[in-house]
Amino acid sequence: SQQGEEDPQALSIQEGENATMNCSYKTSINNLQWYRQNSGRGLVHLILIRSNEREKHSGRLRVTLDTSKKSSSLLITASRAADTASYFCATPPPGGGSQGNLIFGKGTKLSVKP
Amino acid sequence: DTAVSQTPKYLVTQMGNDKSIKCEQNLGHDTMYWYKQDSKKFLKIMFSYNNKELIINETVPNRFSPKSPDKAHLNLHINSLELGDSAVYFCASSPRDYSYNEQFFGPGTRLTVL
Repeated sequence: SQQGEEDPQALSIQEGENATMNCSYKTSINNLQWYRQNSGRGLVHLILIRSNEREKHSGRLRVTLDTSKKSSSLLITASRAADTASYFCATPPPGGGSQGNLIFGKGTKLSVKP
Repeated sequence: DTAVSQTPKYLVTQMGNDKSIKCEQNLGHDTMYWYKQDSKKFLKIMFSYNNKELIINETVPNRFSPKSPDKAHLNLHINSLELGDSAVYFCASSPRDYSYNEQFFGPGTRLTVL
């Protein structure tokens, strides 16, 4: 069953602008992860935020988590053409994550134009 | 050094054939996964192995049979291929069977069934 859902489905911006992607999920989680997938490639882990954290930074990435609204956002600042990719949020399955697998959303396709 | 590798990268075959996809990780991880990504980019867990033991077997046709000869390898064998099996198959690994861990993905195998 799908847990996370990203919004928007597609986003097109100019280089230098900020890009914000949102993820909503359905059940309680202990962490949420964001992954990037370049065209024709595997997924690459970007950042993990735990349920007791509200905000986390990694370079030009900023992730927020609002457990009361069951939502997370990924902000990429000063975007570059190389940021063009699909971005996925991933959460443990409903009932916990003792088996290790993640439930992925459908992703936001980001296009950064030079 | 490739962390998670898959072979082949592309696989084109006829309906009814049997094929295998191989996956190897050199990260020393305990847990390996197979995911299927459909044409709409939706990524779904198929199987999960922890130290060569099957721990997740989602609703997947029994034509799909994973095999883990050792904890560094997880192969996927598919019998009697069908058109609907066309997708990109990703192998992934993580340090242990717990969802706090990031997952490391292979480059994917694009399977096309004609």
